[in-house]
Amino acid sequence: AQKVTQAQTEISVVEKEDVTLDCVYETRDTTYYLFWYKQPPSGELVFLIRRNSFDEQNEISGRYSWNFQKSTSSFNFTITASQVVDSAVYFCALDRPFSGTYKYIFGTGTRLKVLA
Amino acid sequence: EPEVTQTPSHQVTQMGQEVILRCVPISNHLYFYWYRQILGQKVEFLVSFYNNEISEKSEIFDDQFSVERPDGSNFTLKIRSTKLEDSAMYFCASKGGSYEQYFGPGTRLTVT
Repeated sequence: AQKVTQAQTEISVVEKEDVTLDCVYETRDTTYYLFWYKQPPSGELVFLIRRNSFDEQNEISGRYSWNFQKSTSSFNFTITASQVVDSAVYFCALDRPFSGTYKYIFGTGTRLKVLA
Repeated sequence: EPEVTQTPSHQVTQMGQEVILRCVPISNHLYFYWYRQILGQKVEFLVSFYNNEISEKSEIFDDQFSVERPDGSNFTLKIRSTKLEDSAMYFCASKGGSYEQYFGPGTRLTVT
């Protein structure tokens, strides 16, 4: 089965704390893509990162970093020194473009609340 | 930078009415999608469209739904007879030669 699990429904942190959002995926495909999106209260989906299954290098972009581990089928997202503006729902998603399907599979999202 | 646009941003309709949600995909993209997100829930795939036909649809996409690309720029989702449970945010997406779908800002549909 193809599935994305975000076990953390809601996380609250105090500003400047680091926070990690977990994403575990299931797929039998060898080639796939993983994504993170941010959904602020305004509702749009803001693209954060795309990672393909052959690239396990961790990535850092400012205060954001991503840890991709195929051995545990995880693609976790860490925000360092969180800010109030980071408050949003974060979705992890899976794309399997060579499997004959065209859809993204989203996780259920993690609501992050950063308190001042 | 090119982007996907959607109109209207918010639509309120009465149960049983027909609604058409409109999307303008990125101009050189060939693959088009609709997703739905019921308030507080995850984003769910509805349908994909390529070469003027549906390439895949989910079990949510029943006979009440239809999609169309009426001209070279628009991509529409029609709900024939809206139900209360159709209230959701609807996202359009398009894809070109890369493996990435570009999402529009969404249309919030409220059925009363």
